[in-house]
Amino acid sequence: RKEVEQDPGPFNVPEGATVAFNCTYSNSASQSFFWYRQDCRKEPKLLMSVYSSGNEDGRFTAQLNRASQYISLLIRDSKLSDSATYLCVVNKGGGADGLTFGKGTHLIIQP
Amino acid sequence: DAGVIQSPRHEVTEMGQEVTLRCKPISGHDYLFWYRQTMMRGLELLIYFNNNVPIDDSGMPEDRFSAKMPNASFSTLKIQPSEPRDSAVYFCASSLITLNTEAFFGQGTRLTVV
Repeated sequence: RKEVEQDPGPFNVPEGATVAFNCTYSNSASQSFFWYRQDCRKEPKLLMSVYSSGNEDGRFTAQLNRASQYISLLIRDSKLSDSATYLCVVNKGGGADGLTFGKGTHLIIQP
Repeated sequence: DAGVIQSPRHEVTEMGQEVTLRCKPISGHDYLFWYRQTMMRGLELLIYFNNNVPIDDSGMPEDRFSAKMPNASFSTLKIQPSEPRDSAVYFCASSLITLNTEAFFGQGTRLTVV
């Protein structure tokens, strides 16, 4: 099983729709979880951290399910500017530092 | 702060040549990471440093790759000799504390080995 696994997409979604994608991770010792966003030919940038109780930032909601070892990201009222690749990120855990990135889910918002 | 600064932005070199990538982390950050990104493999952690000391280099693909951090404001990733399969985007990132804080990425170096 891959350390961090995501559906690569692409997800083609009309503007204004709600879209959700998940990510699974294999290391049960992982303690920190993030969603990063990467635009074409740009560097990854932090979108939001993911907390155990779930958290929301505007139109974005992130959830963590430790028992099933998956993380989700929900985007409401999607905008054209949301088109990007979304990277699921977990720390290595077990006392080791460093972040492990999924390969990303490609999202395309269509007008 | 200008953020993480990488140079060069683009590098085209011939197979067998030595390549040196450079990174200046954000001032005050304790951690520095080198990542490689390809379409096939995504973002892979190559090596990271804590307070200039290499902590985990298990991601370095082979002996042709080496990384140094002589001081808190500078790191290099060297490939010698380079091979076409090394073609990728190499990112440097830094963070204050790795576990629960944001990693800030540089703009990357796009390496092409022909």
